[in-house]
Amino acid sequence: QKEVEQNSGPLSVPEGAIASLNCTYSDRGSQSFFWYRQYSGKSPELIMFIYSNGDKEDGRFTAQLNKASQYVSLLIRDSQPSDSATYLCAVRDSWGKFQFGAGTQVVVTP
Amino acid sequence: GAVVSQHPSRVICKSGTSVKIECRSLDFQATTMFWYRQFPKQSLMLMATSNEGSKATYEQGVEKDKFLINHASLTLSTLTVTSAHPEDSSFYICSAGAGRPFYEQYFGPGTRLTVT
Repeated sequence: QKEVEQNSGPLSVPEGAIASLNCTYSDRGSQSFFWYRQYSGKSPELIMFIYSNGDKEDGRFTAQLNKASQYVSLLIRDSQPSDSATYLCAVRDSWGKFQFGAGTQVVVTP
Repeated sequence: GAVVSQHPSRVICKSGTSVKIECRSLDFQATTMFWYRQFPKQSLMLMATSNEGSKATYEQGVEKDKFLINHASLTLSTLTVTSAHPEDSSFYICSAGAGRPFYEQYFGPGTRLTVT
C-alpha cells in the first residue's frame, strides 16, 4: 500500500465549477498535510497546508482534513483554465518524512 | 512564502562528465533541504535529505557516490551528478523546509539535465 494515494485523473472540470480532489494516507500518526500545484515542466508550488481537522479556506481553495478517516481533500471553487495542472498531496508522517502522492491531473475546460 | 532558487535551470553535458546543481534558500535559513528527481509524466522521487553540516541521507536505490550532496551552510546545498550518463537525464528539484513547528517544503524552480 502506498503511503499517500490520489486518483491520477484526469479530472475534467467545466470552467466556473468546483474541482474536488481527494487524498488518503496510511500513517495515522501523520501531523501535517499539504497541497501543491505543478504545471507541466515546472516545479511544485505550495498552495495550501492544514494541520487540524476541519476546513481551511484560502481564496478559491479549501482544504479539508479528517484524521479519523485519514483523508484530506482540496476544493477549487470557480475553476479557471489557469487551474489546469497536476495537484500533489503531501503528508508529513509520524517520522517527520514527507510522502507525496502521485498527483491528480486537473483539466479545466472553457 | 519562502523563496528557493536553483542554478542552473537547464544544463546539457556530455556523457562521463560531472554536473553541479546549486540550491539556495534566499530569505530564510534551511537546516534541511531535499533533492528530488522527476521523469516525464511521473511523480516526484525523493533522492536524499540533506542536513546542514552533516552527511546526507539517501533513499534506497540512490547511489551516494554518484549523486554527491553537500550542505555546507544554512542557505546552500549542492547536488553533483558524477560521471553522468544519458539515463541520468531528468528534472532535478530541490526543496527547503521552513516554518515552525510543522515546517512546509518550498521547492526551487528545478534543473533540467540532459546528458548526451
